[in-house]
Amino acid sequence: SQQGEEDPQALSIQEGENATMNCSYKTSINNLQWYRQNSGRGLVHLILIRSNEREKHSGRLRVTLDTSKKSSSLLITASRAADTASYFCAPRMDSSYKLIFGSGTRLLVRP
Amino acid sequence: KAGVTQTPRYLIKTRGQQVTLSCSPISGHRSVSWYQQTPGQGLQFLFEYFSETQRNKGNFPGRFSGRQFSNSRSEMNVSTLELGDSALYLCASSLAGYVDEQFFGPGTRLTVL
Repeated sequence: SQQGEEDPQALSIQEGENATMNCSYKTSINNLQWYRQNSGRGLVHLILIRSNEREKHSGRLRVTLDTSKKSSSLLITASRAADTASYFCAPRMDSSYKLIFGSGTRLLVRP
Repeated sequence: KAGVTQTPRYLIKTRGQQVTLSCSPISGHRSVSWYQQTPGQGLQFLFEYFSETQRNKGNFPGRFSGRQFSNSRSEMNVSTLELGDSALYLCASSLAGYVDEQFFGPGTRLTVL
């Protein structure tokens, strides 16, 4: 399965600190996407990185992709209390019409 | 542009009943995916539709079915409800043929008693 597995399962940091979440997957991919979910709500697309890209930035988010290690990381810099949420990675295989989400990383940013 | 809408937002049913959930994608989006989210199993893919055709299906029993209409609106149906079907059901739409950058609705919270 190309399901992403996030690590750690939970992360608690102080406001202003950086948060790093990791994702590993098993098969070759076309792209990998990161999503955020606030408690009990729908997911919000954060960023998509293609298999031929190594790093991508969006505001305070930085995503890296290492296809040789089949892993990705999401870095949130200067975290805020509003960043408290669950974060999911979703690798997509070539010619696949579905996303398989991992169990997510629950991030708590303490004010 | 209006986001993805799902109705109803909350639903309470009893075992053995059936339920139909509705999803209206963002205007112009032709791909609609459905997910089930539970504390124990996490986010699980149910099925995906594009232009009224089911292109992919997850590992769920036949009690779970769906369809998509010509206006891209989608419905999913669960028959003979079981307690384990209690979950948040999420619908997501995307513009392109492949499911990149999905836009999620707020979900329907189904409770089976």
